[in-house]
Amino acid sequence: DGGITQSPKYLFRKEGQNVTLSCEQNLNHDAMYWYRQDPGQGLRLIYYSQIVNDFQKGDIAEGYSVSREKKESFPLTVTSAQKNPTAFYLCASRRQGNTGELFFGEGSRLTVL
Amino acid sequence: AQSVTQLGSHVSVSEGALVLLRCNYSSSVPPYLFWYVQYPNQGLQLLLKYTTGATLVKGINGFEAEFKKSETSFHLTKPSAHMSDAAEYFCAVSVNAGNNRKLIWGLGTSLAVNP
Repeated sequence: DGGITQSPKYLFRKEGQNVTLSCEQNLNHDAMYWYRQDPGQGLRLIYYSQIVNDFQKGDIAEGYSVSREKKESFPLTVTSAQKNPTAFYLCASRRQGNTGELFFGEGSRLTVL
Repeated sequence: AQSVTQLGSHVSVSEGALVLLRCNYSSSVPPYLFWYVQYPNQGLQLLLKYTTGATLVKGINGFEAEFKKSETSFHLTKPSAHMSDAAEYFCAVSVNAGNNRKLIWGLGTSLAVNP
């Protein structure tokens, strides 16, 4: 079945360390997104990519980086510059030209110790 | 600027009671509208969507929503709540953003179902 796979599901990190969250999709979707979720704050957009080798900052990009070398993959790196990285991270994808409907992965929970 | 407002961050109902989760949006053009559900520590799953046509939209798990343009609303309902409906629910509006489409999200409503 087609879908979006995020890994790891749970991740613990020490302060000052970078960590990379994986997102892979086999839906053949062009656009991919990373959101951050905190209690009571809904979903906030970190980065998005509409095509390979191109990506744009979202609303809260500071302290994060991404790459889009393959259509199927959109990894997110949480750098040591991110002041409050403990959160639930969601990856999503979308077909180009559709209604805007997003398909989500199962999420990755990052905890900084 | 476009926005989505979900009235009530927490809603509690008894099992078997009506579920009503409110969503109002602001948009200068007719939007596409979505409701998503999220269970603890999981991703979001599409419940239903309105794009064009019939304004009463039926979704999964017995939920439905009605697009009311005059009220700029897209409230989610279910006639009889089940314990398994306890989750977080998000309303979203899809709007044009250049040659792309952008989702504007509400802050979510946490639904509790009491036995």
